[in-house]
Amino acid sequence: GAGVSQSPSNKVTEKGKDVELRCDPISGHTALYWYRQSLGQGLEFLIYFQGNSAPDKSGLPSDRFSAERTGGSVSTLTIQRTQQEDSAVYLCASSLYAGGVEQYFGPGTRLTVT
Amino acid sequence: DAKTTQPPSMDCAEGRAANLPCNHSTISGNEYVYWYRQIHSQGPQYIIHGLKNNETNEMASLIITEDRKSSTLILPHATLRDTAVYYCIVRVSSNFGNEKLTFGTGTRLTIIP
Repeated sequence: GAGVSQSPSNKVTEKGKDVELRCDPISGHTALYWYRQSLGQGLEFLIYFQGNSAPDKSGLPSDRFSAERTGGSVSTLTIQRTQQEDSAVYLCASSLYAGGVEQYFGPGTRLTVT
Repeated sequence: DAKTTQPPSMDCAEGRAANLPCNHSTISGNEYVYWYRQIHSQGPQYIIHGLKNNETNEMASLIITEDRKSSTLILPHATLRDTAVYYCIVRVSSNFGNEKLTFGTGTRLTIIP
């Protein structure tokens, strides 16, 4: 079946603009995770969803970052008033349930803030 | 989650076994050892996990020491496609516990033709 998909694959935006990143998890997976990876760095956890609720938002770097998930499926990560330090690859993953053994990652969205 | 320590880089000849070490000396009794890898420009990929027994699947073997303070991921016959960054992660696995994966800097494995 289809894996995790993310769109857009690349996004270039001007500083101060808002951006929306989309994640389509694997069908039937109840848990969804957002991470980001800055150039040459490891992955940094942002937020995870169990169904439509987000028990752990501890990784969101500021209140400019928000995420939602509707219908227990698609999730959108929104970054308001983007800054250059927001430039990174944003990765989405899903698993059958929260704490599930394997997280399946999407290809990521490369965000560049100019 | 317990902290892990991995060498920053390793080389291995194609066709040989690649042995990637990981130290996790502060691991708790209910924490599992997970291995993921990230091939260039792709999302991470799950490889294997274990609690205290050695594990083997179609991709790799995981050897965990008896005191659980360290482990080794073994790729038995490395190919060029195994060139990637390999992450060792320790994590509680449950429906109600800490659900995120905490990635360190990993080991950059280069397979040499």
